[in-house]
Amino acid sequence: QVQLVESGGGVVQPGGSLRLSCAASGFTFSSYGMHWVRQAPGKGLEWVAVISTDGSHKYYADSVKGRFTVSRDNSKDTLYLQMNSLKAEDTAVYYCAKVVVAGTHYFDYWGQGTLVTVSS
Amino acid sequence: DIQMTQSPSTLSASVGDRVTITCRASQSISSWLAWYQQKPGKAPKLLIYKASSLESGVPSRFSGSGSGTEFTLTISSLQPDDSATYYCQQYNSHEGSFGQGTKLEIK
Repeated sequence: QVQLVESGGGVVQPGGSLRLSCAASGFTFSSYGMHWVRQAPGKGLEWVAVISTDGSHKYYADSVKGRFTVSRDNSKDTLYLQMNSLKAEDTAVYYCAKVVVAGTHYFDYWGQGTLVTVSS
Repeated sequence: DIQMTQSPSTLSASVGDRVTITCRASQSISSWLAWYQQKPGKAPKLLIYKASSLESGVPSRFSGSGSGTEFTLTISSLQPDDSATYYCQQYNSHEGSFGQGTKLEIK
C-alpha cells in the first residue's frame, strides 16, 4: 500500500534552516510528480512546491520562493524540502503529497504531516 | 496566479439536509478542479476530481459540478460523519492553489 512518511520537523529560530524528508513506499516513486503543501495552525491548506518526476522542473509558491528548495532522490524514494531563512509565518504542518496521475497536480495520497514551528 | 474562493466559510446543517459549497476561480480552469475533505488532525482526503468525477470509495451522496470558473460540491443527504472542512483545489496549473476552506458542522 502507498505510504508517505514525513520527518524532520521541529522547533527552529527565525532565520534558521530545516530540512524535511518524505519517504515513499508502495508505488513507483520515480514515475510521479510530488508536492509539498502546508497548513498553519487553525488555517487552510497552502500549496508550497512541486517537483517533476526527474527533478528537472520545480515550482514554488511566491511566499517561499528563494528560501525553500524542493528536491528528490529517486534511488532512495525520498522527497525533500530544504527550508532556509525561516520566518514565524512558516510555522505549519507540512505535508508531502503524491499526484494521482503523472502530469496532473491533484493528490490521492498524503503523508501524516510534520510540524515546523518557527519561534525564538 | 489563480485564486480560489470558497463560500460559505462555515455552514451548519442537519442530518439528511442537502448541502452545497461553492468554489470560484479567478480565471478559467476548465474542469481541472478537485475537492477534499479534511477532519481535525488528519490529512485531506480526495473526494472529487475533474470537477465531477467521484474518487473510488467515496460515498455517492457526494457530487461535484461546474466548469470554467464556478464549481459546486453537493452532499445530497448529510450524514454525521460528514462533519469536516472541505477544500477545493485547482490543478489547471502546477501551483495547485486551494480555496480557503468551508467548515461544515452538523446541527
